[in-house]
Amino acid sequence: QLQLRESGPGLVKPAETLSLTCTVSGGSIITKNYYWGWIRQAPGKGLEWIGSIYHSGVTYGNPSLKSRVSMSIDTSKNQFSLRLNSLTAADTAVYYCVGDSSPIIAVPPSFDPWGQGTLVTVSS
Amino acid sequence: DIQMTQSPSSLSASVGDRVTLTCRASQSVSNYLSWYQQIPGKAPRLLIYAASRLQSGVPSRFSGSGSGTDFTLTISSLQLEDFATYYCQQSYASPRTFGPGTKVEVK
Repeated sequence: QLQLRESGPGLVKPAETLSLTCTVSGGSIITKNYYWGWIRQAPGKGLEWIGSIYHSGVTYGNPSLKSRVSMSIDTSKNQFSLRLNSLTAADTAVYYCVGDSSPIIAVPPSFDPWGQGTLVTVSS
Repeated sequence: DIQMTQSPSSLSASVGDRVTLTCRASQSVSNYLSWYQQIPGKAPRLLIYAASRLQSGVPSRFSGSGSGTDFTLTISSLQLEDFATYYCQQSYASPRTFGPGTKVEVK
């Protein structure tokens, strides 16, 4: 059973860059038709999709954040990563890494599984 | 972007009640619609994908229906562990977008 776990700093200063890593266990990150994504949730707010990456390195992301976001994948470590630059207090949120795939072939994709989430606070 | 709305924003219900939550998309998303459950302090959990397909391991009291722009999530007999916030999400077009959620509270 696939499990995901986020790691990274809990506190980052404004204007700096956030780096988060997600480690995938229980399966290979090189799985056909399986993307890997990032979703965030500001305190008391709803869910916002940040972007997703395929094991080939192909990415697609939310235009609202795209200019500040980069994603990468390390197949040798079964990990994928998120970098978000020019941070402001509005980036304070719980960040989740997720699987982004179709549960069965030829049906629409959804987000599953989810990591436990990591709270990132942007503050000086 | 496709805008997702949910109604009601919150509801109060009792154990054993039948509960129906609604999700509407600003344009057709076909059946590219998923439902998630989030218990406070926990990550969301996938309940329904492709509008009506039950994710493995999810109790059969949960069901989804709809296509196009209007969707519903029904809990046939509410259990204590079902008090949570429910989000719909479309994967028809990028960016993927979520509804604002419906909070199901204890009456």
